[in-house]
Amino acid sequence: QLVESGGGLVQPGRSLSLSCAASGFMFEDYAMHWVRQGPGKGLEWVSGISWNSGSIGYADSVKGRFTISRDNAKNSLYLQMNSLRTEDTALYYCAKAPGVRYSYGSNWFDPWGQGTLVTVSS
Amino acid sequence: QSVLTQPPSVSAAPGQNVTISCSGSSSNIGDNYVSWYQQLPGTAPKVLIRDNNKRPSGIPDRFSGSKSGTSATLGITGLQPGDEADYYCGTWDNSLSAWVFGGGTKVTVL
Repeated sequence: QLVESGGGLVQPGRSLSLSCAASGFMFEDYAMHWVRQGPGKGLEWVSGISWNSGSIGYADSVKGRFTISRDNAKNSLYLQMNSLRTEDTALYYCAKAPGVRYSYGSNWFDPWGQGTLVTVSS
Repeated sequence: QSVLTQPPSVSAAPGQNVTISCSGSSSNIGDNYVSWYQQLPGTAPKVLIRDNNKRPSGIPDRFSGSKSGTSATLGITGLQPGDEADYYCGTWDNSLSAWVFGGGTKVTVL
């Protein structure tokens, strides 16, 4: 099970930190992702992190502004979002990968959390 | 503009079959596995197909996936009212070093 938290209303240019609490599986053995969905829009991958944080990737749209991290001792995934823009308004999901790697190869997103809503507006 | 191209919508009567296409390029679908996701209204996405054509446990065999070259297809046979949802394809893109999704296809059961 994955449970996101930390969403809310924030002004453009400000920061927000999201968390994802994992349970029911060995969190330390799996890569994780953040995926977002703007209002009425499709899915957009935001960031991924390998099992040991040794490999991290970001979408171009958030590179340099967002930072993904994880604490395997706390079974938690995080997303630090800085310099937020109105176009970052979305429902943010965390999702688990099937193995240690978040990228190429036999890989997919399962399960997904219920999402946490981030609204960037003045 | 999504990297992967899906039709915005498909519709059919109950019991009919539908297919959803997902078109990409050599840097994504052409060189990586494709997965498909179902998003029922107001819920989080759920994986339907992984590794091009494999169904995770619990997914009915009415759902099938295939891939050829730089395109992938999701098939739904015996359409049911509960299949009304948005469907997304996704894969890794080697050039972008990022995951990419299709824009989504809304399936309507007439």
